[in-house]
Amino acid sequence: AQTVTQSQPEMSVQEAETVTLSCTYDTSESNYYLFWYKQPPSRQMILVIRQEAYKQQNATENRFSVNFQKAAKSFSLKISDSQLGDTAMYFCAFMKPKETSGSRLTFGEGTQLTVNP
Amino acid sequence: AAGVIQSPRHLIKEKRETATLKCYPIPRHDTVYWYQQGPGQDPQFLISFYEKMQSDKGSIPDRFSAQQFSDYHSELNMSSLELGDSALYFCASSFGDANYGYTFGSGTRLTVV
Repeated sequence: AQTVTQSQPEMSVQEAETVTLSCTYDTSESNYYLFWYKQPPSRQMILVIRQEAYKQQNATENRFSVNFQKAAKSFSLKISDSQLGDTAMYFCAFMKPKETSGSRLTFGEGTQLTVNP
Repeated sequence: AAGVIQSPRHLIKEKRETATLKCYPIPRHDTVYWYQQGPGQDPQFLISFYEKMQSDKGSIPDRFSAQQFSDYHSELNMSSLELGDSALYFCASSFGDANYGYTFGSGTRLTVV
């Protein structure tokens, strides 16, 4: 079974600064997907960024980027130029896909990020 | 763009009652998932359906059942409700191997009193 660990329950950052959220996982699989989801106070689960394990290049989506270290089983999220709207709970998630369909997501415990003005 | 629709948004039930949650996936998505998120916790996988057949089962209590209908909408039925069932219940849908991730609905907040 896969496990996902987020060791930072809470973090805070000043507006416009950069912050990095940590995530480690444990798996014996070679092909899998990793995701960061954001859950703001509205409780909606919003996909932030995704990474395919077989791709060495780190994913980037505007101000969000990841540092994917497959050998170390580490998948950190970097948020640049933090904005007040980035305040949310951030979940790291792992998925081992099936051949033709998706499968369950295993989530970490979450990191509550607060962006201060 | 169409999103995953869940109803109702909020539901209050008494202990031992029954609740039914509904989910309408994004058109052409072939997999539906149900998750339970307790207060201050991460979402826990309950069950999923691929092309209307149960494809995976997680930590879903025996008191709960789910199905996916011919129009691809799904329902989560919860009987003999307990106080501990109070949670946010998410439905999500995806297409293919979901390498682009799921799309989650807004969730149903169930409160058992």
